[in-house]
Amino acid sequence: GAGVSQSPSNKVTEKGKDVELRCDPISGHTALYWYRQRLGQGLEFLIYFQGNSAPDKSGLPSDRFSAERTGESVSTLTIQRTQQEDSAVYLCASSRQGFNQPQHFGDGTRLSIL
Amino acid sequence: GENVEQHPSTLSVQEGDSAVIKCTYSDSASNYFPWYKQELGKRPQLIIDIRSNVGEKKDQRIAVTLNKTAKHFSLHITETQPEDSAVYFCAASAVSNYQLIWGAGTKLIIKP
Repeated sequence: GAGVSQSPSNKVTEKGKDVELRCDPISGHTALYWYRQRLGQGLEFLIYFQGNSAPDKSGLPSDRFSAERTGESVSTLTIQRTQQEDSAVYLCASSRQGFNQPQHFGDGTRLSIL
Repeated sequence: GENVEQHPSTLSVQEGDSAVIKCTYSDSASNYFPWYKQELGKRPQLIIDIRSNVGEKKDQRIAVTLNKTAKHFSLHITETQPEDSAVYFCAASAVSNYQLIWGAGTKLIIKP
């Protein structure tokens, strides 16, 4: 079946612009995660959605970052007034409901801020 | 909260030799420990996972061992091949929610 799909695969934008990144999880996966991965670094948790529960936003680095998810489907991560330090790969992952479920990652969006 | 430490940060081994990466976790209630492999420019992919009701799990050339008393788990790769070169991440389940707490990653280099 289809895996996690992210778009765009690459995004180049000027500092100060807003960007919107999209994630389409695996069908039936109720949990969805966003991570940021800077070049050569590890996975930095941003936000987590689980079904219709309130999202865990504890990883968002500033109020310029926000995310939404419609039910158990597509999620969008929005970064407003982008800064150069926002340059990174943004990875989305999804998993089945419940504890101890493996996360399945998309290919990510490579964001470059000029 | 849960914390996961991963060592070493870089590991260089001769092709054909074995590689071992170790992770320690802080919360004794964690009970799920996956390992992911991330090749350069690619997505992280699950390669093996273990739950706390078993001490070891093997899949061909890779194995994971878990020591709940010492709160550490390790990835073992035998007969290493060039395609094993990648960054490997360990993770442990957070007790309070559905999240995973990630290690910082190990860059594995296979020397020909």
